Amino acid sequence: EIVLTQSPATLSLSPGERATLSCRASQSVSSYLAWYQQKPGQAPRLLIYDASNRATGIPARFSGSGSGTDFTLTISSLEPEDFAVYYCQQRSNWPPVYTFGQGTKLEIK
Amino acid sequence: QVQLQESGPGLVKPSQTLSLTCTVSGGSISSGSYYWSWIRQPAGKGLEWIGRIYTSGSTNYNPSLKSRVTISVDTSKNQFSLKLSSVTAADTAVYYCARLQDAFDIWGQGTMVTVSS
Repeated sequence: EIVLTQSPATLSLSPGERATLSCRASQSVSSYLAWYQQKPGQAPRLLIYDASNRATGIPARFSGSGSGTDFTLTISSLEPEDFAVYYCQQRSNWPPVYTFGQGTKLEIK
Repeated sequence: QVQLQESGPGLVKPSQTLSLTCTVSGGSISSGSYYWSWIRQPAGKGLEWIGRIYTSGSTNYNPSLKSRVTISVDTSKNQFSLKLSSVTAADTAVYYCARLQDAFDIWGQGTMVTVSS
């Protein structure tokens, strides 16, 4: 099973700052990596798929990069509504199994 | 636009079978190359994929749950369903249904299921 490790566990930043979240896979997942945002009491929201493609309606301040085992989600300038928990997720080819990282909590400093 | 809504009992007794249904509205469950999935999240914890189904009926399950999980689809009702047998307290979680293509792009709001006697 491919394990995704996210770092840091908690990231404390102020609005307007740049956020860089990391996701590392225990083996290569090619570009099958997605990022989600989850706020308390809400379902996750897809931000990025295939490592670097923004989902429909996602602001341009969110960007994803990486391939293989190392991936990054960058939020260029934090807005108040961006403070949430972020998860990465991968899909293994066969058999298809989807796993999530443990999450990074982005909190207001 | 497409929306998903989970429904089912919020309380299940240990050793019994958890049954949930996801109703798809705003579009046909059979249109497009989508899979339909179940994902769960224990309180305060991360996300766990349970399984997926295509409208042909083809399924794939998380190996850790495979022996207890059945996902089915009813295209006439625009619904898909989850059954999880022999539940224990460890199965207490919020259960989400989601549409899957390149990623899980549309989610239901989630339904809390508690396993307790």
